[in-house]
Amino acid sequence: DAGITQSPRHKVTETGTPVTLRCHQTENHRYMYWYRQDPGHGLRLIHYSYGVKDTDKGEVSDGYSVSRSKTEDFLLTLESATSSQTSVYFCAISGSEAGGNTGELFFGEGSRLTVL
Amino acid sequence: AQTVTQSQPEMSVQEAETVTLSCTYDTSESDYYLFWYKQPPSRQMILVIRQEAYKQQNATENRFSVNFQKAAKSFSLKISDSQLGDAAMYFCAYRSALGEKLTFGTGTRLTIIP
Repeated sequence: DAGITQSPRHKVTETGTPVTLRCHQTENHRYMYWYRQDPGHGLRLIHYSYGVKDTDKGEVSDGYSVSRSKTEDFLLTLESATSSQTSVYFCAISGSEAGGNTGELFFGEGSRLTVL
Repeated sequence: AQTVTQSQPEMSVQEAETVTLSCTYDTSESDYYLFWYKQPPSRQMILVIRQEAYKQQNATENRFSVNFQKAAKSFSLKISDSQLGDAAMYFCAYRSALGEKLTFGTGTRLTIIP
């Protein structure tokens, strides 16, 4: 299994508070991603990173920011959480290491966030 | 932008029978990857099978196989000899060979009837 750790795994917070989710990988993969999963929508990309300090927006990036100061860590921040951001958040990684990029993403176990 | 459509929100199958999950996608590219992921109640996303668009041969992994129709932009998953452990959400996904992002369908919930 790919070494991906998300923290926290569960969090309940109140509207208007800041929240940071952390993704840590031990695989030295170049690409890291944050997706959210909601019923009826599947998984939707929030932001992704293609290297240290290199990030780009996905399809549902409003209200979220990310940072990647080290290869192994990718942080997702909700500056002021809203109820619409209640969701399950998945981190994923993808390699471009020697041996070729096989295209698939490897996922963390997910973080359930509830905004009251 | 690429889109992935799973038109069956829910499916059910008798244990030991065969079931096919449908997926269509829209793209103007010729080189890409297609995937099926399984998400059991544990919430973990598990790669089931993968297909490269340039390969005409359909991918197979034990009881799981795909029917890849490139011209029709169709990528269905067949599960043979269904087992109770196959009960899960199944997501179809697309990735351009030149891109970094996976685009997912909305998923199909598969129930196995004992």
